[in-house]
Amino acid sequence: KQEVTQIPAALSVPEGENLVLNCSFTDSAIYNLQWFRQDPGKGLTSLLLIQSSQREQTSGRLNASLDKSSGRSTLYIAASQPGDSATYLCAGPDSNYQLIWGAGTKLIIKP
Amino acid sequence: EPEVTQTPSHQVTQMGQEVILRCVPISNHLYFYWYRQILGQKVEFLVSFYNNEISEKSEIFDDQFSVERPDGSNFTLKIRSTKLEDSAMYFCASSGTHTRRTGELFFGEGSRLTVL
Repeated sequence: KQEVTQIPAALSVPEGENLVLNCSFTDSAIYNLQWFRQDPGKGLTSLLLIQSSQREQTSGRLNASLDKSSGRSTLYIAASQPGDSATYLCAGPDSNYQLIWGAGTKLIIKP
Repeated sequence: EPEVTQTPSHQVTQMGQEVILRCVPISNHLYFYWYRQILGQKVEFLVSFYNNEISEKSEIFDDQFSVERPDGSNFTLKIRSTKLEDSAMYFCASSGTHTRRTGELFFGEGSRLTVL
């Protein structure tokens, strides 16, 4: 059964720093992995989707990697800005094609 | 940019009442989903829908729940006889293909359900 874990649960960094958010999953046969952003009380905004055949995806200041052998994905945020403050969630489908979610990392960027 | 829209944004109901949450998926998408997030907890899968029928459902999605695509654009989640524990944010999502393949899911802003 697929399980997804995100560490740390919360992270606070000064503006301008580069940072890495971590996502671990137990089933290495994962088909893909998706990173989302969630602002308080708001919806889920898709940031990046990495297919199982890919190792990286980039969108602007965001770069996501996927290492199936180690069961890990990372989301790299370059030159962080206060507007990046949000909760970041990762999710991947299990064998029944249902998305299994991590609990998220709450990111605070201090001006 | 195409987006998934959900209504209502917030609904307050009395325990035992029926609620219907509505979603308009992205127009050319084929797969539709409902997820929920209880406050402070992980997002949970409820159901997926393809070709006018349920393709997968979780243990949460019992007889209290039903989904329907009444016309070419709307996708609804009905919760019968609501319970206190149904209070949550309900998210609708759609994808052009199944998550097994390329399946990037696009989510709406959510409908917050409060059961009193």
